[in-house]
Formats: sequence, structure tokens, C-alpha cells
Amino acid sequence: DGGITQSPKYLFRKEGQNVTLSCEQNLNHDAMYWYRQDPGQGLRLIYYSQIVNDFQKGDIAEGYSVSREKKESFPLTVTSAQKNPTAFYLCASSIGGLDTEAFFGQGTRLTVV
Amino acid sequence: KQEVTQIPAALSVPEGENLVLNCSFTDSAIYNLQWFRQDPGKGLTSLLLIQSSQREQTSGRLNASLDKSSGRSTLYIAASQPGDSATYLCAVMAGTALIFGKGTTLSVSS
Repeated sequence: DGGITQSPKYLFRKEGQNVTLSCEQNLNHDAMYWYRQDPGQGLRLIYYSQIVNDFQKGDIAEGYSVSREKKESFPLTVTSAQKNPTAFYLCASSIGGLDTEAFFGQGTRLTVV
Repeated sequence: KQEVTQIPAALSVPEGENLVLNCSFTDSAIYNLQWFRQDPGKGLTSLLLIQSSQREQTSGRLNASLDKSSGRSTLYIAASQPGDSATYLCAVMAGTALIFGKGTTLSVSS
């Protein structure tokens, strides 16, 4: 089955730790995205990548980092600099270009303990 | 800066009703508009994609329209069912990524 896989589904982080969220797609899509969802705030863009080895900051990139070494993978690291990391994180992909349909994974819920 | 607004924030209807969800955006320079469905604790499921050159798209009981000049889109759900209960999100592609509204949470009672 083609799709986007996010792991883990639930993640707990202690104060001061870095954690990495995985996003893998087998749709042969060029573009990949990371969004954060908080109650009552909708989805906000963290980072996006239009092609391998290239990525751009979104609206709320501070405290996050990404890499795009392979077309299929776009991992997101939540660093200790992120002041309020507890949220639902969603990864998406699209073929690329500006008029293509985006598809989403099932999300990772990160909680700081 | 592009902003997307969805009204109402929540809607409750009895089963069988036809209903309309509204989405508005501030900048008409969009490439496309997409409607999504989200169940609690889950990811987003794409429902309909309308390209900027199109006026509407249909899928089963769903029909979405787009009026770029007025910055509006509507999602029409015919003969609603309890299984339609979810949050519906509207997003526009303006620039290099989707910009989302906050969603409309729909509850359909049997």
C-alpha cells in the first residue's frame, strides 16, 4: 500500500531532551512538509522540502530541525530550544509543483513530561 | 499574508440534513484549494481538490465550490450521516505550502 508513515504514534520527552519524529513515504513524491497542530489553532507549517537535500523554514521553525537526505524520508527533530513542544505533529507529501494534492500521515502526538 | 477562515466553528445537525460548510481566504492568488476530513486523534484525509481554474468538484455526497474572485469556497454535504461526524479543514495553496483554516467540527446525530 502506498502512503505516508509517521512513527511513533505517541512520544514522551523529558525537559531538555531532543527527540526525532519519523516520516516516510513510498508515493515517490518530491515535496514533503511538517505541520504542528494545537487545539483551537489549526495547522501551522514548521518546515518543508521541495526536493532532496533542500528544505525551507515555515512559519514556526524555531526550536526544530529537519534533514532530507533521501526522497522517501523527512525526519523532524524537536530540540530542547523549543519552548512548548507538546502538540500533534503531522507530516504530508505531494508530487511537487504548486497545484498538486497533499496527503497526510496519521500524526505523532508528542508530550513533554 | 494569506489567512483562511472557516465558519461555523462547530455545527450539529440531525441525520439526513443537507449542510454547507464555509471557507474564506483573504488573497485570491491561490493555486488550489483542498478540503480535508480529520477524525479525533487522527491524520487528515483528503476529500476534494479544486484547482484555481476550476469552479467545483464532486465526490459522492460531497460537492465543493470555489469562487476565487470573492475568496470563498463551500463544502456541501448531502443527506448527512452519523459517520460524517468529524472536523473538516479547508486549506489553500498560496506560495509553497498549504495554509489552513481552523476547521469546522461537525456532529451528525441519529
